[in-house]
Amino acid sequence: QQQVKQSPQSLIVQKGGISIINCAYENTAFDYFPWYQQFPGKGPALLIAIRPDVSEKKEGRFTISFNKSAKQFSLHIMDSQPGDSATYFCAASKAAGNKLTFGGGTRVLVKP
Amino acid sequence: NAGVMQNPRHLVRRRGQEARLRCSPMKGHSHVYWYRQLPEEGLKFMVYLQKENIIDESGMPKERFSAEFPKEGPSILRIQQVVRGDSAAYFCASSPDKNQPQHFGDGTRLSIL
Repeated sequence: QQQVKQSPQSLIVQKGGISIINCAYENTAFDYFPWYQQFPGKGPALLIAIRPDVSEKKEGRFTISFNKSAKQFSLHIMDSQPGDSATYFCAASKAAGNKLTFGGGTRVLVKP
Repeated sequence: NAGVMQNPRHLVRRRGQEARLRCSPMKGHSHVYWYRQLPEEGLKFMVYLQKENIIDESGMPKERFSAEFPKEGPSILRIQQVVRGDSAAYFCASSPDKNQPQHFGDGTRLSIL
């Protein structure tokens, strides 16, 4: 009941395109859903996060969509740039400062 | 404003030796979390500490692993009698309280020969 499933495992998108990454969770007690971006040799960096009382949150080119009834949430990267090439992780927890359960990650490659 | 500092960045040990990984949280952060990342996998929670207290150790292996966060100094993740399967990247994160986001360090890459 603690799993977070992430798809796809990898994604190739052309510069200017939209990258879409999906996650599904099982534990209905989760109430905090962050996305992290990780470059090789670096630690995960918090991108954007959402709580279940809103269905969408946008920060710059990054948007989270949240579907509470389906227990799914997704990250959209608009106008993808080569600098966005990284591994993206979704996560979930019972509070922002509680232990995070991570998805398996999506490796995104943006081609110029 | 320095971020979460982890050292060493790379650590090589032989089977049977001890590994000590250090984490200095961001200034003002009293909550520390340790995660392990195997190659090509997501991060797995290990332990959550607040100054001098272990809050949640549900992800820690029962044997050989221990963690502490003393009143003074960095948090330490200690692995005794290391085995090849301990090879991984170990990440530390910190937050100012239990309702604030976690910020990660750049990890320690542990290699076991």
